[in-house]
Amino acid sequence: GAVVSQHPSRVICKSGTSVKIECRSLDFQATTMFWYRQFPKQSLMLMATSNEGSKATYEQGVEKDKFLINHASLTLSTLTVTSAHPEDSSFYICSASPGQGASYGYTFGSGTRLTVV
Amino acid sequence: EDKVVQSPLSLVVHEGDTVTLNCSYEVTNFRSLLWYKQEKKAPTFLFMLTSSGIEKKSGRLSSILDKKELFSILNITATQTGDSAVYLCAVGDSWGKLQFGAGTQVVVTP
Repeated sequence: GAVVSQHPSRVICKSGTSVKIECRSLDFQATTMFWYRQFPKQSLMLMATSNEGSKATYEQGVEKDKFLINHASLTLSTLTVTSAHPEDSSFYICSASPGQGASYGYTFGSGTRLTVV
Repeated sequence: EDKVVQSPLSLVVHEGDTVTLNCSYEVTNFRSLLWYKQEKKAPTFLFMLTSSGIEKKSGRLSSILDKKELFSILNITATQTGDSAVYLCAVGDSWGKLQFGAGTQVVVTP
């Protein structure tokens, strides 16, 4: 159980355009999803916590107007990088949790490598 | 301020050697400590530890948690070149939110 699917796996976009990344829980309902970012040779850093039906909670230093998160259903959360710039190039990865006390709330999607040119 | 500290940051060993990776933490709302292996893609889950003193094993890998001293170790015995990777330690809260350490880069030479 606890399979998380993330799409696309790789995307190249032009500077100034927007990119949407999807994260789906395939065999459970995810009340909470987490979005991480990993720059080259660095560890994963939490960007935001996405809760179904409510606004996302962003970590300090993450621009909520630039990284739009939508969690409209219990199986899907999306991250939209708006007006992308080369410095947004990174590895974005999500994880999903069915809620408090979950023993398998640490499953990651396969990640999305974003390159902004 | 919560923190997760891994050491060493990198090491190089020969095939057949044993390596020990360290992870110490200071976090509020601790629920579990997790180890992941990462090789140029998404992290692969290795272990989740919630109780002190109980060793978890998977093949040549093992890990243990000390909740009194706030640290964990990951051991890899009889290392192989395929063990070369970054090993990540993360502390999770009850909602699944993870805080990661910087990782340990392990290089196993033939």
